[in-house]
Amino acid sequence: ETGVTQSPTHLIKTRGQQVTLRCSSQSGHNTVSWYQQALGQGPQFIFQYYREEENGRGNFPPRFSGLQFPNYSSELNVNALELDDSALYLCASGLAGLNEQFFGPGTRLTVL
Amino acid sequence: KQEVTQIPAALSVPEGENLVLNCSFTDSAIYNLQWFRQDPGKGLTSLLLIQSSQREQTSGRLNASLDKSSGRSTLYIAASQPGDSATYLCAVRGVNTDKLIFGTGTRLQVFP
Repeated sequence: ETGVTQSPTHLIKTRGQQVTLRCSSQSGHNTVSWYQQALGQGPQFIFQYYREEENGRGNFPPRFSGLQFPNYSSELNVNALELDDSALYLCASGLAGLNEQFFGPGTRLTVL
Repeated sequence: KQEVTQIPAALSVPEGENLVLNCSFTDSAIYNLQWFRQDPGKGLTSLLLIQSSQREQTSGRLNASLDKSSGRSTLYIAASQPGDSATYLCAVRGVNTDKLIFGTGTRLQVFP
């Protein structure tokens, strides 16, 4: 059991709305990464946070933003939702400089 | 730019067969390679992690090999069972980054 939790499990929004997804890292971990997984595809890296600062970003527009809190929980915010934002959003926590990251169960976002 | 490819995209086998899943990557400058299992609509479960300096890792009926120079990894599943049915993803981590680059996965069905 990884100990990484995400909420909510499922979410339905309409185009143009804003959404916030939450992730609680495994105890002791100080990095959190977010990934987007479209249906039938592998996960795509959105960004990583370390010590509450963005520490690397994938090919995603600025309307994807995040926060990491002192307790290492994290949020992913997406503004101006588009239909193509419909996907499974995964967060992964780890320790900076060490090997493995542990994934949460994901949040399924549907944009209508 | 690192690209990860998995072949085959889908595989259906009878219970008891030994099978091989393939993963290839274009840039051999990797830090490690990881194999994950994903059940439908769920998060990722790490199966095996191979460091760039290693040739293989084993866990139970699973064996993963890595040939960094040729940009290939294989996941060998011995004596497959219906419970092995899932999508299997490989991901590479580059040097000096925690970012994982995923393949699109192999969807495996093992029938009784």
